Amino acid sequence: GNSVTQMEGPVTLSEEAFLTINCTYTATGYPSLFWYVQYPGEGLQLLLKATKADDKGSNKGFEATYRKETTSFHLEKGSVQVSDSAVYFCALPSFGNEKLTFGTGTRLTIIP
Amino acid sequence: AAGVIQSPRHLIKEKRETATLKCYPIPRHDTVYWYQQGPGQDPQFLISFYEKMQSDKGSIPDRFSAQQFSDYHSELNMSSLELGDSALYFCASSWVSAGEQFFGPGTRLTVL
Repeated sequence: GNSVTQMEGPVTLSEEAFLTINCTYTATGYPSLFWYVQYPGEGLQLLLKATKADDKGSNKGFEATYRKETTSFHLEKGSVQVSDSAVYFCALPSFGNEKLTFGTGTRLTIIP
Repeated sequence: AAGVIQSPRHLIKEKRETATLKCYPIPRHDTVYWYQQGPGQDPQFLISFYEKMQSDKGSIPDRFSAQQFSDYHSELNMSSLELGDSALYFCASSWVSAGEQFFGPGTRLTVL
């Protein structure tokens, strides 16, 4: 079935540093791809999505491009803030239905 | 905008007790999903409903059951609770043709 492999964490960066969190996928067909964020003590929030190859999803300064040739959907941000500290999950739906399969999550900590 | 509502937000139970978790999807969403997130784990799909019918089933124990009612709210019933059932339980809803799932804040279940 469809699956994602996500960069192991945790990741600690200084404020204003450049962020990349890697995500690669294995899928039948070309499903939509998602990044979800979970702030401390909160639920999952959709951060961004891409629905087809070469699409770029963006939100709150974060970006991810759906790369068919490398089966990747890496999350990037040019200048991180302390408020970006959270756990980030890459996700995609299973083939033939809509249930989401999540990556293992990457805990990001930004220090001032 | 209305979001997914889950109740209760926190629940403490003893082993072998029962628990009922409730989920109220976003209005006009036709699909509800339940996920379980253990400590430090990624969310795992339990079960889903489309138009009040079970549409998919994941790694849900036989001790758990769920249903979706005529008003589209859903309940997850958990019996003979075990220590390992302690987790964050998320409900998500979607308009299935859109594919994007919106998550509730979760119910944190602690089994003592």
